[in-house]
Amino acid sequence: QSALTQPPSASGSPGQSVTISCTGTSSDVGGYNYVSWYQQHPDKAPKVIIYEVSKRPSGVPDRFSGSKSGNTASLTVSGLQAEDEADYYCSSYAGSNVVLFGGGTKLTVL
Amino acid sequence: QVQLQESGPGLVMPSQTLSLTCTVSGGSITSRNYYWSWIRQPAGKGLEWIGRIYTSGGTNYNPSLKSRVTISLDTSKNHFSLKLTSVTAADTAVYYCATLWEGLFRFWGQGTLVTVSS
Repeated sequence: QSALTQPPSASGSPGQSVTISCTGTSSDVGGYNYVSWYQQHPDKAPKVIIYEVSKRPSGVPDRFSGSKSGNTASLTVSGLQAEDEADYYCSSYAGSNVVLFGGGTKLTVL
Repeated sequence: QVQLQESGPGLVMPSQTLSLTCTVSGGSITSRNYYWSWIRQPAGKGLEWIGRIYTSGGTNYNPSLKSRVTISLDTSKNHFSLKLTSVTAADTAVYYCATLWEGLFRFWGQGTLVTVSS
């Protein structure tokens, strides 16, 4: 199994929306609704912001939303704020008791 | 709320075995409906899932590391452990422990840096 594919970088101005993609295959992203997204600030542990494709843990602002179409999952951050600047990683169950991560996307708030 | 804390040597010699422990607080490791998992992150790079262990002791590993990895559970100490054999500089990373259930890593430790160097 290969890592999921994410764009290395994304950016947007405060107040704008930005979408980050996570592309896999029918054996992982496309085959299961166990796609999660994690936000990681420098020198901090990742924090889950989306799970099961589109669910938000309590405490995560509704500016963060997730979706999936075919083998590609997406994270949308609406109303960008300065504190959203971070690295974002997707993960997916890949069958055979294996979990895959994406390579990560560095989100810059301009 | 589950809390996790990694511990272990910060420096390991090449070809030796890396050993880390993750101590769980906020409840018994056997009373939680989780897999207990290890993830690592080389400096400036992405996350890599290493493997997981269930409360029954059943394990699953990343195929790329399977030949060198062992994850075990010590219920008496409420912790689980990682052993990675024959390490090289490529194994230098921050190692995290985390809970895993249905693809979701909900609770994470703060991470511990392990450097492989002579």
